[in-house]
Amino acid sequence: AQSVTQLDSQVPVFEEAPVELRCNYSSSVSVYLFWYVQYPNQGLQLLLKYLSGSTLVESINGFEAEFNKSQTSFHLRKPSVHISDTAEYFCALETSGSRLTFGEGTQLTVNP
Amino acid sequence: DTEVTQTPKHLVMGMTNKKSLKCEQHMGHRAMYWYKQKAKKPPELMFVYSYEKLSINESVPSRFSPECPNSSLLNLHLHALQPEDSALYLCASSQLPRDRGPRVGSPLHFGNGTRLTVT
Repeated sequence: AQSVTQLDSQVPVFEEAPVELRCNYSSSVSVYLFWYVQYPNQGLQLLLKYLSGSTLVESINGFEAEFNKSQTSFHLRKPSVHISDTAEYFCALETSGSRLTFGEGTQLTVNP
Repeated sequence: DTEVTQTPKHLVMGMTNKKSLKCEQHMGHRAMYWYKQKAKKPPELMFVYSYEKLSINESVPSRFSPECPNSSLLNLHLHALQPEDSALYLCASSQLPRDRGPRVGSPLHFGNGTRLTVT
């Protein structure tokens, strides 16, 4: 069975501090991994994706994630967060057909 | 601004009402999805349409009835809902491979959802 585990349900940090949101997955086949972000009262937006190739993927707003096959992880990092990064973050694994398996989500709260 | 448009943004309905949720995209995507999201939870897949044909129904109760009139539109017809059906309903779309094979790595584009309250 394929599954996604987000290890922290809530992560509070101060503005300009670094942050890591942890995601582990379980899959017996090749994986395609995604991070989505959901701001209050909005739908989900794709933050970044890993399909193949370089294990370090970056987004346009300073986030990056590293695919680690041996540790079955796809952690999301940002060296310096802003108040505007406050949101719910979902790690997701593409499974068979058109299905995505989501983690339970991590609420990132950036405090001044 | 999202490229997937959902209407209405908010809907309050009684348990005997019939209503419809609408979704539209003009990105040429041939896969469209309905998800249900409860507060503080990840989205749960309900239905998938591929090339305007229903390809996945995740054992959703028949009081939810999807419809895909064309490649740009997706509806969700609601009838005799229960209070526990109150949630955020999200529509999404994605590309499909030209050879009609399984989707591989195509990200989902979500709308902002319809906040449904059943009284």
